[in-house]
Amino acid sequence: QQPVQSPQAVILREGEDAVINCSSSKALYSVHWYRQKHGEAPIFLMILLKGGEQKGHDKISASFNEKKQQSSLYLTASQLSYSGTYFCGTPDAGGTSYGKLTFGQGTILTVHP
Amino acid sequence: DAGVTQSPTHLIKTRGQHVTLRCSPISGHKSVSWYQQVLGQGPQFIFQYYEKEERGRGNFPDRFSARQFPNYSSELNVNALLLGDSALYLCASSRGQGILSGNTIYFGEGSWLTVV
Repeated sequence: QQPVQSPQAVILREGEDAVINCSSSKALYSVHWYRQKHGEAPIFLMILLKGGEQKGHDKISASFNEKKQQSSLYLTASQLSYSGTYFCGTPDAGGTSYGKLTFGQGTILTVHP
Repeated sequence: DAGVTQSPTHLIKTRGQHVTLRCSPISGHKSVSWYQQVLGQGPQFIFQYYEKEERGRGNFPDRFSARQFPNYSSELNVNALLLGDSALYLCASSRGQGILSGNTIYFGEGSWLTVV
């Protein structure tokens, strides 16, 4: 089942903050965050692991609430370069999850000067 | 170090034709996955290969097939192309097989396929 992201789109001015949420109806083992600019590949931002370990980007932070089965990505003091579509991806909970991520529908972030 | 490389970057095919897309993973990565991304949606998993064996398959018809070579590069083949196969095809590589422990997946730039 596909994780659900909110909001679908957000518009900011440079320097403002944003929060993007990712919720799942199934148990989460980890949450993977990516940013994709138009016509480009998704770029890895961060992994949040069950148990609290976080690996990734030093200018973007995130949280992972296992009980609520959700993750939030925090973008502070946004820059023009933050514009793009943000995806969260979650592995299958039940199996060995051979490299399969199920992605949310994406959140379009636009940062204006 | 080079990232994940894919070829071709863009191609146009006619309905019913066959297409082969190629991918070279990051050096040292043994796992390759393929994803399809339709405009406005997130990537959708097609296959994963690890050590030349298929380890996972998404909900795609048998027209889609793939393989991994001894040097860990991979090919995705699609037969009898349909208009609905038009999409960005992404290859991703990772060091290990599973991702529950936080094995990072890195994407290539993708191959844009247009079926007319």
